Amino acid sequence: AQSVSQHNHHVILSEAASLELGCNYSYGGTVNLFWYVQYPGQHLQLLLKYFSGDPLVKGIKGFEAEFIKSKFSFNLRKPSVQWSDTAEYFCAVRGSQGNLIFGKGTKLSVKP
Amino acid sequence: DTGVSQDPRHKITKRGQNVTFRCDPISEHNRLYWYRQTLGQGPEFLTYFQNEAQLEKSRLLSDRFSAERPKGSFSTLEIQRTEQGDSAMYLCASSLEANTGELFFGEGSRLTVL
Repeated sequence: AQSVSQHNHHVILSEAASLELGCNYSYGGTVNLFWYVQYPGQHLQLLLKYFSGDPLVKGIKGFEAEFIKSKFSFNLRKPSVQWSDTAEYFCAVRGSQGNLIFGKGTKLSVKP
Repeated sequence: DTGVSQDPRHKITKRGQNVTFRCDPISEHNRLYWYRQTLGQGPEFLTYFQNEAQLEKSRLLSDRFSAERPKGSFSTLEIQRTEQGDSAMYLCASSLEANTGELFFGEGSRLTVL
């Protein structure tokens, strides 16, 4: 069965620091990959997605992710974080029924 | 707001009671998904509908859990004889059938079982 692993449970950064959140998936075939964000008290929102083509995907709010097939990875990056990026970030892979299979999430705290 | 809406947002109940959650998806979306999220975990897939047909229900956590989408629009998730372990956030999401996999989530219904 497909699964997703997120390496970091809680990441604490100062403003302007660079961010990289790890995500690995288990399935070796064609994959659709997603990063969702959940701001405090809000619903899950899509940050970015990868289906095919350019492995470097750009999303909203300056986030990007790189699909590396050989490493089964889809890490999320942002060159300079802001206090408003404080949230929980979830990596997901699309399942065979169109559902999303999520990792456990990484809580990001950005200190002003 | 034309997003996915869920009701109630919070429910506190005593163990053994039945609870029902409602989800109204985005109107043109014909797929509807239910997830459960517990503290420190990502959303866990429970079941989904395409229009009124429930196409996957083996992931429902026990036979105390059931879901319906009678007219292919809103959906309900019912938990019978609630247990303390059912305390969680129940999330609903919707999508277009043939879309590129993006799910749109509601804000969730938080259940607390005393």
